[in-house]
Amino acid sequence: GAGVSQTPSNKVTEKGKYVELRCDPISGHTALYWYRQSLGQGPEFLIYFQGTGAADDSGLPNDRFFAVRPEGSVSTLKIQRTERGDSAVYLCASSPIGQGDYGYTFGSGTRLTVV
Amino acid sequence: GENVEQHPSTLSVQEGDSAVIKCTYSDSASNYFPWYKQELGKGPQLIIDIRSNVGEKKDQRIAVTLNKTAKHFSLHITETQPEDSAVYFCAASIGSNYQLIWGAGTKLIIKP
Repeated sequence: GAGVSQTPSNKVTEKGKYVELRCDPISGHTALYWYRQSLGQGPEFLIYFQGTGAADDSGLPNDRFFAVRPEGSVSTLKIQRTERGDSAVYLCASSPIGQGDYGYTFGSGTRLTVV
Repeated sequence: GENVEQHPSTLSVQEGDSAVIKCTYSDSASNYFPWYKQELGKGPQLIIDIRSNVGEKKDQRIAVTLNKTAKHFSLHITETQPEDSAVYFCAASIGSNYQLIWGAGTKLIIKP
């Protein structure tokens, strides 16, 4: 596609529920990143995929968070047993190769609200 | 751990004047420094970047300077226009370059 697409744009869920956030990267981009942005802050790194594999998941806050990219294109970020502190905008970005200095292209994000 | 500090948090300038946003970083191994513009409800958009082997880069009204010795880099916007109003983020690469660490952002307000 022309850009990085994230769905849904907004998600409201109850505490304790499971959610999935989807990212469609730019076609042909092998690198995919998930970041989390809290209000008034810069994005924080969560996980980086090179192709189908998670090359670095050191930013995932705990084992309730998991992400997959089974075919090397679309990625899904999964959050189990959601907590109010998980409320944030979840941003996905892609780049042509696994080098951040080629410039990420971000999607518009999914705003997650846990009530 | 590594961090990036960004100042000011809010900057209000008269339309047509210049705006300067400053960042410092802690990781001496950082070698890539992008600047992003984020409008309300949208993801960050890359506006300019600089690599460690260059001291200055310019693109029309936007310029970035880098002082590796002092670990400082700055964004300069000249002849500001209303559409420049947004939140601007600086970032620095860490690790193997695929990860960025970000400043907290500067809300730029252009007064008509």
